[in-house]
Amino acid sequence: QSALTQPPSASGSRGQSVTISCTGTSSDVGSYNYVSWYQQHPGKAPKLLIYEISKRPSGVPDRFSGSKSGSTASLTVSGLQAEDEADYYCTSYAGRNNPVLFGGGTTLTVL
Amino acid sequence: QLHLQESGPGLVKPSDTLSLTCTVSGGSISSHIFYWGWVRQPPGKGLEWIGTIYYSGSTYFNPSLRSRVTMSVDPPNNQFSLKLNSVTAADTAVYYCARHDYADGNWFDPWGQGTLVIVSS
Repeated sequence: QSALTQPPSASGSRGQSVTISCTGTSSDVGSYNYVSWYQQHPGKAPKLLIYEISKRPSGVPDRFSGSKSGSTASLTVSGLQAEDEADYYCTSYAGRNNPVLFGGGTTLTVL
Repeated sequence: QLHLQESGPGLVKPSDTLSLTCTVSGGSISSHIFYWGWVRQPPGKGLEWIGTIYYSGSTYFNPSLRSRVTMSVDPPNNQFSLKLNSVTAADTAVYYCARHDYADGNWFDPWGQGTLVIVSS
């Protein structure tokens, strides 16, 4: 099964908002609410940002929000800050035979 | 606070078996709620799920790696392990272990710091 599709890059100015998309199919993103997002700074382990489409773990700023429409999930980062510059990955449940699909990742640049 | 730490050889020869262990501290690997997973990241590339194990020994694998992967769990030592056989240069990656909420939200948190494994003769 193919990975979820994310744009390779995204950018925004400090204080602005940016949205990163994660496109799947009716077999994964479109069928389940188990979409999560991870932030990864260079040389560091990924960090959970969003789970179950729009829930935030304790400690994650509310500047990060998630949503889903059809087979596309989205991560929105509001009030961009310099430390938001990182790689972002989405994942989705895709059924019992392949429970975890990752997106290819998006590099976010804060201008 | 839960902490995970990967350990194992950093260099593996082609066609050999890659073996890694993840030690969990600050919590029990025998949790009835959570599972334990492995994710890898080739240099400069994205994340790839390898597999997940429950404390009972039940396993779930990425179909693309299933034929080469085994996983085991060692509750007394609060560890779980990964073995990947017949490795090639394409298996060179940073390998992460993580707690996996497989049964509910299907998310990974927290993650270990990762360990780089290079496949080379």
